[in-house]
Amino acid sequence: QLQLVESGGGVVQPGGSLRVSCAASGFTFSSYGMHWVRQAPGKGLDWVAFIRYDGSNTYYAGSVKGRFTVSRDNFENTLYLQMNSLRAEDTAVYYCAKGSWFGESTDAFDIWGQGTMVTVSS
Amino acid sequence: DIQMTQSPSAMSASVGDRVTITCRASQGISNYLAWFQQKPGKVPKRLIYASSSLQSGVPSRFSGSGSGTEFTLTISSLQPEDFATYYCLQHHSYPHTFGPGTKLEIK
Repeated sequence: QLQLVESGGGVVQPGGSLRVSCAASGFTFSSYGMHWVRQAPGKGLDWVAFIRYDGSNTYYAGSVKGRFTVSRDNFENTLYLQMNSLRAEDTAVYYCAKGSWFGESTDAFDIWGQGTMVTVSS
Repeated sequence: DIQMTQSPSAMSASVGDRVTITCRASQGISNYLAWFQQKPGKVPKRLIYASSSLQSGVPSRFSGSGSGTEFTLTISSLQPEDFATYYCLQHHSYPHTFGPGTKLEIK
């Protein structure tokens, strides 16, 4: 069964750092690009970052560029999001989502994790 | 960056009604458009991908159409479980962008 499970959320002070993880199972993780999407309390969905299947390219939303880093370990079937210089406006549920097979295609975002809550507060 | 707009932002409808939600992109995105349904406290669920392809397991009352800059999601006959918030997403260009959402409520 295809599954994504996030972990690592918590409460962090403004300016602090946190790394969240996404463990994949049930599919060939190393063949798929992966995304991070977040949702602030009571707000809409906000795309955050993407990493290609082999980690060779990454893309970011402007609001997190230079502060967040997406990475992956294809041996451990795990996706990561390192978040530095955190701000109150980064408070959100962070979801990982499965991208498309190898290159870009129209078939993506079919599988989502349950999300992990990150709260930035003093 | 490509901006996505949705209309309406909210609407009320009755069981059995036909409902159409529109999503517009600020520039052409071919058919790199997906629709998601989200219920309170739940994970978003993909309904439609490639503008008009129905996700496996999603009822056939849901359909999508469009290409380029204008897209629609249609629910042919609303069911009680369809009351939720709907989002479109363009994944043609980076950064990918979601629409602001359409909240569908019971009349």
